[in-house]
Amino acid sequence: EAEVAQSPRYKITEKSQAVAFWCDPISGHATLYWYRQILGQGPELLVQFQDESVVDDSQLPKDRFSAERLKGVDSTLKIQPAELGDSAMYLCASSEGQGATGELFFGEGSRLTVL
Amino acid sequence: AQSVTQLDSHVSVSEGTPVLLRCNYSSSYSPSLFWYVQHPNKGLQLLLKYTSAATLVKGINGFEAEFKKSETSFHLTKPSAHMSDAAEYFCVVSPPTDSWGKLQFGAGTQVVVTP
Repeated sequence: EAEVAQSPRYKITEKSQAVAFWCDPISGHATLYWYRQILGQGPELLVQFQDESVVDDSQLPKDRFSAERLKGVDSTLKIQPAELGDSAMYLCASSEGQGATGELFFGEGSRLTVL
Repeated sequence: AQSVTQLDSHVSVSEGTPVLLRCNYSSSYSPSLFWYVQHPNKGLQLLLKYTSAATLVKGINGFEAEFKKSETSFHLTKPSAHMSDAAEYFCVVSPPTDSWGKLQFGAGTQVVVTP
């Protein structure tokens, strides 16, 4: 069964350092999402791509976060510099079409701890 | 605008007894509604979805949910809990199909199943 791949699964870093997360969506899925899930809360959308274009990044803290999907396949989410409040699970998801039409397929997430 | 409220942050049930997870939504249009499940250290998995067809929706693992427009509710039920049902459950509302828009996740309900 096709899956969304994410790496690393766990990352511990000190504040002010740079971190990067990688996501490989299910083959053929045009839409890719990055969510942040703080402990005890539901996921919050950070950025949504349609192929290589950003559709929504209104909740992305652009002073320190960046995301790219250069060839419309895999994607990288970067944080520089990391802050204590960035400690969370970063989830990648993909879907065949526009997000509202149906199922999102999630990866297992990358858990970030900032010390 | 749309939002979703999960009325219980934590539910504890005995194995073999019914499970009820409550969700109310707010939407200015006819929404699509979903329930996702997240097992520890895993990504989210779709349990079931409502997209304006039958109001009683059956999902995987014996779960079902009923869309009640008059009550703006989409409660999740299962007649007999299994130990493997211990997880966090998220109610999600989305804008109409074929539209761009964010999925709104509830804060989640943690389900504990006791022997």
